[in-house]
Amino acid sequence: EVQLVESGGGLVQPGRSLRLSCAASGLSFNGYAMHWVRQAPGKGPEWVSGINWDNDRTGYADSVKGRFTISRDNAKNSLSLQMNSLRAEDTALYYCVKDVGGIYRNMEIWGKGTTVTVSS
Amino acid sequence: QSALTQPASVSGSPGQSITISCTGTSSDVGGYNYVSWYQQHPGKAPKLMIYDVSNRPSGVSSRFSGSKSGNTASLTVSGLQAEDEADYYCCSHAGSNTLIFGGGTKLTVL
Repeated sequence: EVQLVESGGGLVQPGRSLRLSCAASGLSFNGYAMHWVRQAPGKGPEWVSGINWDNDRTGYADSVKGRFTISRDNAKNSLSLQMNSLRAEDTALYYCVKDVGGIYRNMEIWGKGTTVTVSS
Repeated sequence: QSALTQPASVSGSPGQSITISCTGTSSDVGGYNYVSWYQQHPGKAPKLMIYDVSNRPSGVSSRFSGSKSGNTASLTVSGLQAEDEADYYCCSHAGSNTLIFGGGTKLTVL
């Protein structure tokens, strides 16, 4: 069974940084693209970032471009999201998501999420 | 990046069929065959129902189907059941290595 377990969320002040991690198990991690998707309370999901299976290509939503960086370590079956210059509007539940294939375009398996709260 | 346009709500009686539309532009829905649909029940993570416009993942009921015409994608749910009541979101590749979601549609089973 595929399991995605996010960690690293918490309460952080505006302008500070946070690093989210996702530990993957039950799959050939290096065969799949991965995503970070967030969902603010009472809102719909928002795609944040994606990365291809081989680290060759990454993408970011305009709302986070230049502030967030996605990365993966296929040897450790892990995905990360470095979040800098955090804003109140970044407050959300952040999901780690496995794609259907190796190029990021569909979000198949979702973790339970980790909550990020940006507030002074 | 503007969110894809979905109706806020749709409803139907058990056994009926409903269709949820997802309208974008030639830069997203119309430009790529990479539209997916997600079902979300309260307090749960979204679940992939359709990918690449019309493909169903293993385990998803054949009552769910997807299609696309021009800049509009559609999700059809046939033989409505009580457990289909949920929020539904479309998502599309939007160029420049990005994806974009729709605003969501609340499906009510009467």
